[in-house]
Amino acid sequence: ELKVEQNPLFLSMQEGKNYTIYCNYSTTSDRLYWYRQDPGKSLESLFVLLSNGAVKQEGRLMASLDTKARLSTLHITAAVHDLSATYFCAVDISSFGNEKLTFGTGTRLTIIP
Amino acid sequence: DSGVTQTPKHLITATGQRVTLRCSPRSGDLSVYWYQQSLDQGLQFLIQYYNGEERAKGNILERFSAQQFPDLHSELNLSSLELGDSALYFCASSRRGDEQFFGPGTRLTVL
Repeated sequence: ELKVEQNPLFLSMQEGKNYTIYCNYSTTSDRLYWYRQDPGKSLESLFVLLSNGAVKQEGRLMASLDTKARLSTLHITAAVHDLSATYFCAVDISSFGNEKLTFGTGTRLTIIP
Repeated sequence: DSGVTQTPKHLITATGQRVTLRCSPRSGDLSVYWYQQSLDQGLQFLIQYYNGEERAKGNILERFSAQQFPDLHSELNLSSLELGDSALYFCASSRRGDEQFFGPGTRLTVL
């Protein structure tokens, strides 16, 4: 059974600082997704990582995937308050056309002014 | 706005009752997925339909069922409701093999 672990579960950081959220998974996969969720809201797609070594950046967020280590990271640069949210990674190990996502536990990020 | 719509937004009902949640996928998406989000279980995959056919099943209870209609909208039926079924239910859609886009969710409260 696929297990997806995120750490930390909770992260409180000051504006302007850098930090990294880690996502480890237990079964080989080369399809990993990052989502953002604001309280009581839906999930917003942030990044789609589809191969080993994939790196994507959007604003202050950068995501990478190392399929050999079964590890993805979400790096936050010079955090701002607007980035406060819960971040989920999700792994897809199913076959093409038969997809289902297994989500991590989420990392609740709070940016302190 | 992801383009995926769900109704209703909120649903309050009593134990033992049955409810139906509705989802309309993005235009052109043939796959529909249902997920449950609760405090104790996190985000869990329930079931996937592709062009009207069931394709994948996750941790979906026998009291729950779903279907996808010819116009590609989907319904999730929850019956014999228990307190523990209170959760946010999300629908997502995708083109085959592509990323999934999530709807706004239906918050179900079972009293």
